[in-house]
Amino acid sequence: GNSVTQMEGPVTLSEEAFLTINCTYTATGYPSLFWYVQYPGEGLQLLLKATKADDKGSNKGFEATYRKETTSFHLEKGSVQVSDSAVYFCALSDRGAAFGNEKLTFGTGTRLTIIP
Amino acid sequence: DGGITQSPKYLFRKEGQNVTLSCEQNLNHDAMYWYRQDPGQGLRLLYYSQIVNDFQKGDIAEGYSVSREKKESFPLTVTSAQKNPTAFYLCASSKGRYYEQYFGPGTRLTVT
Repeated sequence: GNSVTQMEGPVTLSEEAFLTINCTYTATGYPSLFWYVQYPGEGLQLLLKATKADDKGSNKGFEATYRKETTSFHLEKGSVQVSDSAVYFCALSDRGAAFGNEKLTFGTGTRLTIIP
Repeated sequence: DGGITQSPKYLFRKEGQNVTLSCEQNLNHDAMYWYRQDPGQGLRLLYYSQIVNDFQKGDIAEGYSVSREKKESFPLTVTSAQKNPTAFYLCASSKGRYYEQYFGPGTRLTVT
């Protein structure tokens, strides 16, 4: 079956540091990949997405590249801010999945805290 | 503005009572989903619906029920059969089965 593995948190960084949150996946078909962000007490917001190999998703200074050869979709940001403190979820949707399995598969989430 | 609304934001119930959580979307999306999130945990899928009057069980459906009588509405009932109902419940919708999902703000249910 499909699965998503994220780096264990929590991750604590100083403001303006470089961020990487690792995400690797296994999928039986042709996955689309997503990063979601969840601020305290709120729902999830779509941060970025990539639908095919070598696509790069980007939004709000965050980037992630769909690497089929390493089955990875790592999230990066060059200079983090205190306002980036949240929980980040990697997810995949498998276009080749059998009927009934075509839903999002989420990682367990990585809590990020940025200190001034 | 288009979006997904969930109400109420906070809900308190006594053990043994059924409770219904509301989810409405005006995005004209065909698919809708319900997830449960426990503190420090990821999301677990309860139910999903790809079309009106049809829905499927997710990973942990026991103790929950849903209906999809209208495209824009997908209410979730937490029944007394759910042994540990206290959690944060999230509703989502998407254009279709393989598209990204958009989430509502969530309902925090506390059962005592």
